[in-house]
Amino acid sequence: DVKVTQSSRYLVKRTGEKVFLECVQDMDHENMFWYRQDPGLGLRLIYFSYDVKMKEKGDIPEGYSVSREKKERFSLILESASTNQTSMYLCASSLGGTSLEEQYFGPGTRLTVT
Amino acid sequence: LAKTTQPISMDSYEGQEVNITCSHNNIATNDYITWYQQFPSQGPRFIIQGYKTKVTNEVASLFIPADRKSSTLSLPRVSLSDTAVYYCLVAPGTAGNKLTFGGGTRVLVKP
Repeated sequence: DVKVTQSSRYLVKRTGEKVFLECVQDMDHENMFWYRQDPGLGLRLIYFSYDVKMKEKGDIPEGYSVSREKKERFSLILESASTNQTSMYLCASSLGGTSLEEQYFGPGTRLTVT
Repeated sequence: LAKTTQPISMDSYEGQEVNITCSHNNIATNDYITWYQQFPSQGPRFIIQGYKTKVTNEVASLFIPADRKSSTLSLPRVSLSDTAVYYCLVAPGTAGNKLTFGGGTRVLVKP
């Protein structure tokens, strides 16, 4: 079974802090994704990566950056956390190729910025 | 990417069949229809994908008419554990790795 793990289930940070969310997948997948999920808005794509050191902006990249130094690990970085970044963050991975490939999601990190 | 429209919520009872219709009027020739399911406190998981006519697996059936402008996810004989949010997505079959999740349909199964 594919396993996608996220470093924390719950995280509380202060405004202005630099925040790192880590995601690791164990199935040698090419593609990795970061989404945020907010009530009434569904999942929105922040960034995705289709190869090591490669990244593409999603629909809402502002205020975020990402890093993918190794194939299995994809990090989401909030350079200076703000209260409007309080949300559920979901990481996913897929085999590669087109978006027809099934995405496997991690359990999510609920981030609260105070 | 084609936009999808689906009901915000639906209620059902155990043992009933639940049908969720999704409209995607601007679907392109190479696009596929994909459904994900999300239980509370979990990430979404893939349940079914199709291009046209009917696709069935152990979880659900997907019906797609000839014009492909809509699709219906059918969950047979639901149980309480089928309470979840169901997302309809249009997935480009060409190069490009983005999926766009809408708000989904919240299905509540009652005893």
